[in-house]
Amino acid sequence: DVKVTQSSRYLVKRTGEKVFLECVQDMDHENMFWYRQDPGLGLRLIYFSYDVKMKEKGDIPEGYSVSREKKERFSLILESASTNQTSMYLCASRGPTNTEAFFGQGTRLTVV
Amino acid sequence: GESVGLHLPTLSVQEGDNSIINCAYSNSASDYFIWYKQESGKGPQFIIDIRSNMDKRQGQRVTVLLNKTVKHLSLQIAATQPGDSAVYFCAESYSSASKIIFGSGTRLSIRP
Repeated sequence: DVKVTQSSRYLVKRTGEKVFLECVQDMDHENMFWYRQDPGLGLRLIYFSYDVKMKEKGDIPEGYSVSREKKERFSLILESASTNQTSMYLCASRGPTNTEAFFGQGTRLTVV
Repeated sequence: GESVGLHLPTLSVQEGDNSIINCAYSNSASDYFIWYKQESGKGPQFIIDIRSNMDKRQGQRVTVLLNKTVKHLSLQIAATQPGDSAVYFCAESYSSASKIIFGSGTRLSIRP
């Protein structure tokens, strides 16, 4: 069974903290994505990785960075968390030859 | 830049009726158009996709229509059931291996 696992379902962090959101997939997919989801704004792409150590900025990369050292793991890093980064974060993965992306359950991050 | 948008943020349908969810897109270079369904508390789930060289594709109880002339995409759900209650997102992708850009979503609710 296909699986994308995000390390935390809920997180509460303080302003200024460095935050790591982890995502692991077991499908040997090349492509992995990080989105944030806010009411009325849909899913907005933060970063996209198309291979190990390869990344591409999405629509809203400011304040975020990513790491893809191994094929199965894609990490989202908030260098210095701010309250406007309070959101639902969704990770997804996809194989190279189809459009079906598989999503994790999401991490609801609250920055206080 | 790219944008994908939906005409209506909410849609209420009588159980048993057909539902039609609409979407507009701006990037003429996109080759794939995709519909996802997100149920409460879960990540989005792939429903169906259509390539830009097609104008119609059918799945189980769903049909996607693509009108490239007016850059419009629609999802039709036949005989809507309570289990169809969800937020529906249209998305576009330049290729099967590139990033996926999502719209803002339509919440479909079913009246008994």
